Amino acid sequence: AQSVTQPDIHITVSEGASLELRCNYSYGATPYLFWYVQSPGQGLQLLLKYFSGDTLVQGIKGFEAEFKRSQSSFNLRKPSVHWSDAAEYFCAVVNQGGKLIFGQGTELSVKP
Amino acid sequence: GAVVSQHPSWVICKSGTSVKIECRSLDFQATTMFWYRQFPKQSLMLMATSNEGSKATYEQGVEKDKFLINHASLTLSTLTVTSAHPEDSSFYICSATGQGAGNTEAFFGQGTRLTVV
Repeated sequence: AQSVTQPDIHITVSEGASLELRCNYSYGATPYLFWYVQSPGQGLQLLLKYFSGDTLVQGIKGFEAEFKRSQSSFNLRKPSVHWSDAAEYFCAVVNQGGKLIFGQGTELSVKP
Repeated sequence: GAVVSQHPSWVICKSGTSVKIECRSLDFQATTMFWYRQFPKQSLMLMATSNEGSKATYEQGVEKDKFLINHASLTLSTLTVTSAHPEDSSFYICSATGQGAGNTEAFFGQGTRLTVV
């Protein structure tokens, strides 16, 4: 069965520091992968997605993610974190039924 | 990107009453809508999938008589929590995919915070 694992429940980084959020997936075929961000009490906003082609994907707000098939990973990165990036981040994969399967989420805190 | 509007954003109701949550796609035709439930500090749990004009498909463990889903048009799906109890208090989020939005990308509503007292 398809699954998504985000190993880090909570990460704290200093403002201006680089960020990497980990995501590992389990899927038999080429996956459709997504990263979403959720601010408290809000819905989800799509940061970026990977369907095919270039394995390094650029998203909004300066985020990027790299698809690595050999590692079954789709880690999210940002070179310099801003205080407004503090939020919950979800990695997701679309399964064969067209449903989004979400990881557990990673809460990002940003220190001044 | 495509816009999905969810209403209300928060609601407080008494035990035993029913609450209806609306999910609208504003600028595309949503052939499929999904309803999720999210507990504090947890991920989204898919409750059901609805396709326009047909009955919703519920995930295992979700009571279909408790959570009534209607997808009568290509722009509107509703979730009705019937005879609500305090344990139904949660954050409910809808998402939609469809024509004009890219069938492989889901767009999310803002969520509805339900509190049952």
